Amino acid sequence: EAGVTQSPTHLIKTRGQQATLRCSPISGHTSVYWYQQALGLGLQFLLWYDEGEERNRGNFPPRFSGRQFPNYSSELNVNALELEDSALYLCASSGTDRSVNSPLHFGNGTRLTVT
Amino acid sequence: AQSVTQPDIHITVSEGASLELRCNYSYGATPYLFWYVQSPGQGLQLLLKYFSGDTLVQGIKGFEAEFKRSQSSFNLRKPSVHWSDAAEYFCAVGPLTGTASKLTFGTGTRLQVTL
Repeated sequence: EAGVTQSPTHLIKTRGQQATLRCSPISGHTSVYWYQQALGLGLQFLLWYDEGEERNRGNFPPRFSGRQFPNYSSELNVNALELEDSALYLCASSGTDRSVNSPLHFGNGTRLTVT
Repeated sequence: AQSVTQPDIHITVSEGASLELRCNYSYGATPYLFWYVQSPGQGLQLLLKYFSGDTLVQGIKGFEAEFKRSQSSFNLRKPSVHWSDAAEYFCAVGPLTGTASKLTFGTGTRLQVTL
């Protein structure tokens, strides 16, 4: 069984540009979660998509957005990049059980560097 | 609001020595508690979880954690550390009902193992 895959592995952008990160969940998983892991801050919840809809959003500005496609893969878009957006962005997926008990399966992340 | 504190940013232990990683949480009701591990260059992997029953819970890779309600703690332990345990460890707290989007992660403890 293929795990959660994220692309690209690394992304370097300039302040003010837009970044697009992609995530493919485990086959059969319908929920995709996005997290930001900035240095010293742990994982901060960004967005949750399930069945193509945005279900919950963390405390991040609107320039962080995304979508989920019919095949359940997902995109995270970050507009008007700022230096403090530099972080590891992790995607996780879970199955049709949306409860907190349902284990999260994480990808290896996309390292975004904003210069 | 729920919160998680991992007081130790960085811990170094010798291979074969015992390990205890501290986690303190703040939550208004009975929490769901988790420990995840992040190996270098990898996403997070679930080690163990707890929400009821025996307060000592066993996980994968020989890890265990003990829930102490009176101390609001959920410390992770391993009797004998292996070099492959070098990684970052995250404690997380969430509601018994709700989705994984409600999880709050700690800032992590980086474990270094010396030979």
